[in-house]
Amino acid sequence: AQRVTQPEKLLSVFKGAPVELKCNYSYSGSPELFWYVQYSRQRLQLLLRHISRESIKGFTADLNKGETSFHLKKPFAQEEDSAMYYCALSLPQGAQKLVFGQGTRLTINP
Amino acid sequence: DSGVTQTPKHLITATGQRVTLRCSPRSGDLSVYWYQQSLDQGLQFLIHYYNGEERAKGNILERFSAQQFPDLHSELNLSSLELGDSALYFCASSVRAGATTYEQFFGPGTRLTVL
Repeated sequence: AQRVTQPEKLLSVFKGAPVELKCNYSYSGSPELFWYVQYSRQRLQLLLRHISRESIKGFTADLNKGETSFHLKKPFAQEEDSAMYYCALSLPQGAQKLVFGQGTRLTINP
Repeated sequence: DSGVTQTPKHLITATGQRVTLRCSPRSGDLSVYWYQQSLDQGLQFLIHYYNGEERAKGNILERFSAQQFPDLHSELNLSSLELGDSALYFCASSVRAGATTYEQFFGPGTRLTVL
């Protein structure tokens, strides 16, 4: 069965420090992976998808098929990065549903 | 608001009751997805509709049902409510973002409290 694991429920770092939010997945096919972010009192929104290989708000994520990981990284954290982050796996070929991890609450301390 | 809209924002009801949650997708999006977010289960996929037809089912209880209407809005019906049904219910709609990739846009959610 498809599964997404985010081992850290809470992560706290200081402003300016590097951030890494971990995500591991289990899926036998070729996954499509996403990071979603939910800022306080806002709706869930897409942050990154692995196929676009882009950097959004300074965040990047690389799909490592060997380690079945899709960790989210940012070299220098900012206070506005404080939010709930969800890693999600999409099943291709029409299924389209998203399988979410449990989420990591990131707090950036001043 | 051209984004996904959901009504009501909050719903408080009693065990055994039935409620209906409503979702309107973004203009032009044909797909609607429902997700349940609870403290113990996290975000779980419930059901997906595309242009009025059910496309996929997830961990949706038999007490729950959904439909998508000709105008593409969707309703999620929850019946015989139990305390454990208290959760945030999200709706999302999608647009194709690649050959097989669909980007899902989420609504603000409906917070259901069952007392």
